[in-house]
Amino acid sequence: AQSVAQPEDQVNVAEGNPLTVKCTYSVSGNPYLFWYVQYPNRGLQFLLKYITGDNLVKGSYGFEAEFNKSQTSFHLKKPSALVSDSALYFCAVREWNTGNQFYFGTGTSLTVIP
Amino acid sequence: DAGVIQSPRHEVTEMGQEVTLRCKPISGHNSLFWYRQTMMRGLELLIYFNNNVPIDDSGMPEDRFSAKMPNASFSTLKIQPSEPRDSAVYFCASRFRGGSNTGELFFGEGSRLTVL
Repeated sequence: AQSVAQPEDQVNVAEGNPLTVKCTYSVSGNPYLFWYVQYPNRGLQFLLKYITGDNLVKGSYGFEAEFNKSQTSFHLKKPSALVSDSALYFCAVREWNTGNQFYFGTGTSLTVIP
Repeated sequence: DAGVIQSPRHEVTEMGQEVTLRCKPISGHNSLFWYRQTMMRGLELLIYFNNNVPIDDSGMPEDRFSAKMPNASFSTLKIQPSEPRDSAVYFCASRFRGGSNTGELFFGEGSRLTVL
């Protein structure tokens, strides 16, 4: 069965420091992996995705994520955090060959401290 | 381009009333999803459609919930009768399923439902 784990409910980081939001996944086949961001009272916005190819994926707002097949991880990173990055972040996985369903993690609340 | 459009953005109703949430997917998208988000349970998939046909409704909590997609540009999620535990934010999302099938989901802004 497909699943996603976001082990940290809350991540705090100082402005200007690098940030990492962790995600591990479980699928029986090849994964498609996604990161979304949700600001208060808004819908989820797509940040980036890994489909195939280069393990380092670059996305919106300076975010990037690294696919690690051996560790079944897809951690979200940014070299220098901004206060405006404070939001709820969701990781999602879809198995490439099983239709249409996306499996979301429980979300990680990121707070960037000025 | 317009994104996924949901209405109403906010709904406050009393227990026992019927609630209808509406969604217009992005033009050209052929898959539509309804999710529910609460603090306790996070983001839950309720039902999804491919080409207007319901494919998986196993997430629909009970018979009080129903969803329809009469055409490619409109879907409704109905709760009848509503209960306080239905209070949540309901999201509609759409995507294009085809070709390499690598497309992401696009979410609407959500409908915040409060049942008193």
